[in-house]
Amino acid sequence: ETGVTQSPTHLIKTRGQQVTLRCSSQSGHNTVSWYQQALGQGPQFIFQYYREEENGRGNFPPRFSGLQFPNYSSELNVNALELDDSALYLCASSPETSGSFYNEQFFGPGTRLTVL
Amino acid sequence: AQSVTQLDSQVPVFEEAPVELRCNYSSSVSVYLFWYVQYPNQGLQLLLKYLSGSTLVKGINGFEAEFNKSQTSFHLRKPSVHISDTAEYFCAVTWGYNTDKLIFGTGTRLQVFP
Repeated sequence: ETGVTQSPTHLIKTRGQQVTLRCSSQSGHNTVSWYQQALGQGPQFIFQYYREEENGRGNFPPRFSGLQFPNYSSELNVNALELDDSALYLCASSPETSGSFYNEQFFGPGTRLTVL
Repeated sequence: AQSVTQLDSQVPVFEEAPVELRCNYSSSVSVYLFWYVQYPNQGLQLLLKYLSGSTLVKGINGFEAEFNKSQTSFHLRKPSVHISDTAEYFCAVTWGYNTDKLIFGTGTRLQVFP
């Protein structure tokens, strides 16, 4: 069973550019969550996708957008990059979003984004 | 709103000594609690979780944690640490119902010395 994979591993962009990060969920998982982890901080929730629909969003501006595909892989897009967007971006997949029970999230290794 | 506080940013300890990493949470509803470990240049790995039932939870690599509702704490312990336990440890909380959003603390750096 393949775990959660993310690409690319590292990325360097300049301020004002746009970036797309990719995540392949674990087999059988239909929910993907994205987190931003700034240096020396804990991960912060960006948004979650469940069966191709956004299912919750954290306190991030609209220039952070996402997409989930029919195979449940996902993209995180960030427009108009700012220096503070430099961080490790983590993707996590989980098997199902039910109404009353937590579904364990499995994290990928992350994409390190540096904005110059 | 839910929040997590990890009281120690760094915990230095000698090999084979016991360790406790502290975590307190704030929530107006019932929560699920987690400890994750992050090794350098890697993603997060789940150590253990409290969903319900016994308040003493055992995880991987010899770690355990105790849920204390009255003190709103979920401290992580290990009776004897190894050099390989050197890593960043994150406490996290979610309230479960129709959401899997995790709220993380700022992390505790465990440094094990020989």
